[in-house]
Amino acid sequence: AQKVTQAQTEISVVEKEDVTLDCVYETRDTTYYLFWYKQPPSGELVFLIRRNSFDEQNEISGRYSWNFQKSTSSFNFTITASQVVDSAVYFCALSGPPQPRLNAGGTSYGKLTFGQGTILTVHP
Amino acid sequence: GAGVSQSPSNKVTEKGKDVELRCDPISGHTALYWYRQSLGQGLEFLIYFQGNSAPDKSGLPSDRFSAERTGGSVSTLTIQRTQQEDSAVYLCASSLVWVVGRNEQFFGPGTRLTVL
Repeated sequence: AQKVTQAQTEISVVEKEDVTLDCVYETRDTTYYLFWYKQPPSGELVFLIRRNSFDEQNEISGRYSWNFQKSTSSFNFTITASQVVDSAVYFCALSGPPQPRLNAGGTSYGKLTFGQGTILTVHP
Repeated sequence: GAGVSQSPSNKVTEKGKDVELRCDPISGHTALYWYRQSLGQGLEFLIYFQGNSAPDKSGLPSDRFSAERTGGSVSTLTIQRTQQEDSAVYLCASSLVWVVGRNEQFFGPGTRLTVL
């Protein structure tokens, strides 16, 4: 079974502070995919990033950066110099390989297992 | 359209009535997923479509829930004899899951279902 844990339920920061959102996952798949989604007050889930299990290179996109560490099963998300517009619920998610697994029963079909989400509030 | 669309955006119904929720995925996306978001349960997978077939229905909570997809495009989620615990936001997502490296899912705005 797959599991994603976001231990931080709520985080509150003041604008321009850096903030890191933690994500820890569990899976028995050797190939898997990790995602971060943002859900602003409008409600629509917005895709931020996908990371493949075989690619541990960290990524930076503007003020956003992601730290993938397979050894600790973590995929943390850092926002540098936070802004009020970053206020949202952030979800970490995990999926197995979409194709049928050859050596194990069942398939995942790429369905997402989500963490419980972290509510980030950035105050002006 | 450019993104995933869902209708209606809001639905209020009485306990015991049937409801239909519609999803129109991104054009060309063969994979379609339904999820449910509720306060107590978070985001839960319901069903997956590849084309018009549903190889994974493991998340449907009861036999009151069913879904179909026609023409490899529009999908309808039907809830029969609605109960108050069915109240949630129902989200649809689509992806190019069978294209290597393109398996991120894009979500629609959701349908907020309230069962009175």
